[in-house]
Amino acid sequence: NAGVTQTPKFQVLKTGQSMTLQCAQDMNHNSMYWYRQDPGMGLRLIYYSASEGTTDKGEVPNGYNVSRLNKREFSLRLESAAPSQTSVYFCASSEQNTEAFFGQGTRLTVV
Amino acid sequence: AQSVSQHNHHVILSEAASLELGCNYSYGGTVNLFWYVQYPGQHLQLLLKYFSGDPLVKGIKGFEAEFIKSKFSFNLRKPSVQWSDTAEYFCAPNTGRRALTFGSGTRLQVQP
Repeated sequence: NAGVTQTPKFQVLKTGQSMTLQCAQDMNHNSMYWYRQDPGMGLRLIYYSASEGTTDKGEVPNGYNVSRLNKREFSLRLESAAPSQTSVYFCASSEQNTEAFFGQGTRLTVV
Repeated sequence: AQSVSQHNHHVILSEAASLELGCNYSYGGTVNLFWYVQYPGQHLQLLLKYFSGDPLVKGIKGFEAEFIKSKFSFNLRKPSVQWSDTAEYFCAPNTGRRALTFGSGTRLQVQP
């Protein structure tokens, strides 16, 4: 079972470049999430999708966009990367009110 | 707004010492509670969860947590830690309204 798969694992961007982080889950979950993890700040929710076709802002959505392409896939896009977006990004999925399953993470550095 | 507080940011213990990590949340309604663990360089994994019933729940690797509703707390415990427990631990309540809210994490360092 693959669970939640994220790509890429590592990425270095120059300020102003764009990129899309891909996430797919094979557990037939309705809900999917994007978090960023920064030292001493835990995980902060960027965007989430409660079901296919819906997306909502989380705690720190500025500078990001998302697409819930279908039930399996939920992508995160940085249109114009900034150094403040240097972080580790985690995708997760769950059914409502149950535990979330996490991908392996994407370590992004913006220089 | 819902929030969660983890009191200990960095804990250093010797092997065989007992562990208790505090977690308090601010939500008065029905809440599901989770503890996650993140080993160095890895993603988050579920350690244990509480939905209802017995407030003392047991998880993997000898961890347990106690839900005390009156104190809005869900503290994590382990009687005897091992070097392999070195990791970061996150408390996460879920009120069912949207997504898990994570505490800032507690980094546990176990010295052999």
